[in-house]
Amino acid sequence: DSGVTQTPKHLITATGQRVTLRCSPRSGDLSVYWYQQSLDQGLQFLIQYYNGEERAKGNILERFSAQQFPDLHSELNLSSLELGDSALYFCASSLHVSGTDTQYFGPGTRLTVL
Amino acid sequence: GENVEQHPSTLSVQEGDSAVIKCTYSDSASNYFPWYKQELGKRPQLIIDIRSNVGEKKDQRIAVTLNKTAKHFSLHITETQPEDSAVYFCAAKRPEYSASYGKLTFGQGTILTVHP
Repeated sequence: DSGVTQTPKHLITATGQRVTLRCSPRSGDLSVYWYQQSLDQGLQFLIQYYNGEERAKGNILERFSAQQFPDLHSELNLSSLELGDSALYFCASSLHVSGTDTQYFGPGTRLTVL
Repeated sequence: GENVEQHPSTLSVQEGDSAVIKCTYSDSASNYFPWYKQELGKRPQLIIDIRSNVGEKKDQRIAVTLNKTAKHFSLHITETQPEDSAVYFCAAKRPEYSASYGKLTFGQGTILTVHP
């Protein structure tokens, strides 16, 4: 157990819908990262937050957004869902922004868009 | 941006043999290189990492080597066991002062199968 929690574990929804994925980082960690894992794209970085502020952005679609709250938990919002958004979404956390910080991954949320 | 190439995509070995997975990275500014193991349907778990100021690191049966000049790093697993079967990902990260700091760029993954 990495100490990073994610809810829900599984999510099944329809195209065009909106969902929210939630992540709680390890106790004391200030940075939260979101990754998408699909069969054809591998593990792709979406976005990073550090202590409530957006710090880095990857190839995150405009239909996707995220935020980190004062208690440091983070939510990833996916809207106007398409079949291709079906994937495993991982959250990771690290202690603070540093050149070599270890990122610990949560168990993931499996999103299925029908 | 950073690009990480990982080879081979699949690797099959007999129990007790050694396994080697290689990665090359494009961004010479990258200074942190972790390796993650992912079992089917599970989260990636860090198994070993190396910083750019170190050439080699070992942890029991697992070792990682880094060649900064050639921009490649490798994972070595000795005395493989069936429970080593999983997907292994290498990754690279840029230092704190650079843009997109914090982002891990992953290789495509290697499916390792250890046959009893």
